[in-house]
Amino acid sequence: DSGVTQTPKHLITATGQRVTLRCSPRSGDLSVYWYQQSLDQGLQFLIQYYNGEERAKGNILERFSAQQFPDLHSELNLSSLELGDSALYFCASSVGTGSRETQYFGPGTRLLVL
Amino acid sequence: DAKTTQPTSMDCAEGRAANLPCNHSTISGNEYVYWYRQIHSQGPQYIIHGLKNNETNEMASLIITEDRKSSTLILPHATLRDTAVYYCIVGSNFGNEKLTFGTGTRLTIIP
Repeated sequence: DSGVTQTPKHLITATGQRVTLRCSPRSGDLSVYWYQQSLDQGLQFLIQYYNGEERAKGNILERFSAQQFPDLHSELNLSSLELGDSALYFCASSVGTGSRETQYFGPGTRLLVL
Repeated sequence: DAKTTQPTSMDCAEGRAANLPCNHSTISGNEYVYWYRQIHSQGPQYIIHGLKNNETNEMASLIITEDRKSSTLILPHATLRDTAVYYCIVGSNFGNEKLTFGTGTRLTIIP
């Protein structure tokens, strides 16, 4: 158990819909990262927040957005969903920020878009 | 980011040492080598990291060559639960915190 929690574990929705994925980092961790893992793309970094502020951005679509709240939990919002958005979405957290920080991953949310 | 090259798959007998190689010939002086693994579809799990000295923890050992162009992750006594995809990752430039996962090595432990 990494200490990172993600809800829900599974999500089934239809194309065009909007969903919100939630992540609670490990106690004391200020950074939250979001990754997407699909069958054909592997693990892709989406976005990072540090202490409430956006820190780094990866291959995140404009239809996706994220935020980190004062209690440090984070939400990833996916809108206008397409079939290709079906994937595992992982959240990770670390104490601080920087390439030398060890990231601890949550169990993921499996999203299926029908 | 420095790129890494790993074998696509490897087998190892249960109870033996599993040695997973990684090539990172373009690594720069301040970049760390990280190893993560992913069991089935679970979240990636941190294993170990190092800069230039060999490192050991309760899970594994990391051997980095003197020129830092390659490294080997060693699982000393592999068990069936070590069957997973193992990712070798080189830390990106300072201030760029993302982890860039490649395709990794699918390690299968054979009973």
